[in-house]
Amino acid sequence: EAQVTQNPRYLITVTGKKLTVTCSQNMNHEYMSWYRQDPGLGLRQIYYSMNVEVTDKGDVPEGYKVSRKEKRNFPLILESPSPNQTSLYFCASRGTVFSYEQYFGPGTRLTVT
Amino acid sequence: AQKVTQAQTEISVVEKEDVTLDCVYETRDTTYYLFWYKQPPSGELVFLIRRNSFDEQNEISGRYSWNFQKSTSSFNFTITASQVVDSAVYFCALSEAALTTDSWGKLQFGAGTQVVVTP
Repeated sequence: EAQVTQNPRYLITVTGKKLTVTCSQNMNHEYMSWYRQDPGLGLRQIYYSMNVEVTDKGDVPEGYKVSRKEKRNFPLILESPSPNQTSLYFCASRGTVFSYEQYFGPGTRLTVT
Repeated sequence: AQKVTQAQTEISVVEKEDVTLDCVYETRDTTYYLFWYKQPPSGELVFLIRRNSFDEQNEISGRYSWNFQKSTSSFNFTITASQVVDSAVYFCALSEAALTTDSWGKLQFGAGTQVVVTP
């Protein structure tokens, strides 16, 4: 089954404790991205990757890092989480430059206290 | 820069009523894609429809219908005879197609409209 998986689905952590949210897709997609969802703001893109070793900032990259060492994986790293990063996070992937449907993961609800 | 506006924050209806969700977009690209997603209380995003900028035909899928009007930059969504299971947040989104734009590949979302359907 074609899918995007994220782990963990729920995470409560404390300020400053480094964490990684994993994202994996099994569709051999080139393009992957991370979004965060906040009330009244919809979803906003954090980072994206057009292929292995190619990543770039989205609209709200501050406080986040990503890497793309393999095509299927695109982890989101919070080196020093802060309460304003409490949010619902979605990973997404799309096939190629000509495919416009994005496949979303199930979401990761992160709370930073 | 691209922008999507969903002016309705929340709409409450009684079951069997129709509900229309407004979506207005801005883009300088001539080729783009518009989307609607549903987010039920469980939190996942459910893809509903994709429409490209060259296809202005309205679409109907069961109780769902979409009205795309390029002249007013709108892509409105109507749920006919609403049901309690339609209670969710609905997002409209835009993706520009030109490879030269900085925003290529990005889905620009509206703020979302919460639909509450009561029995």
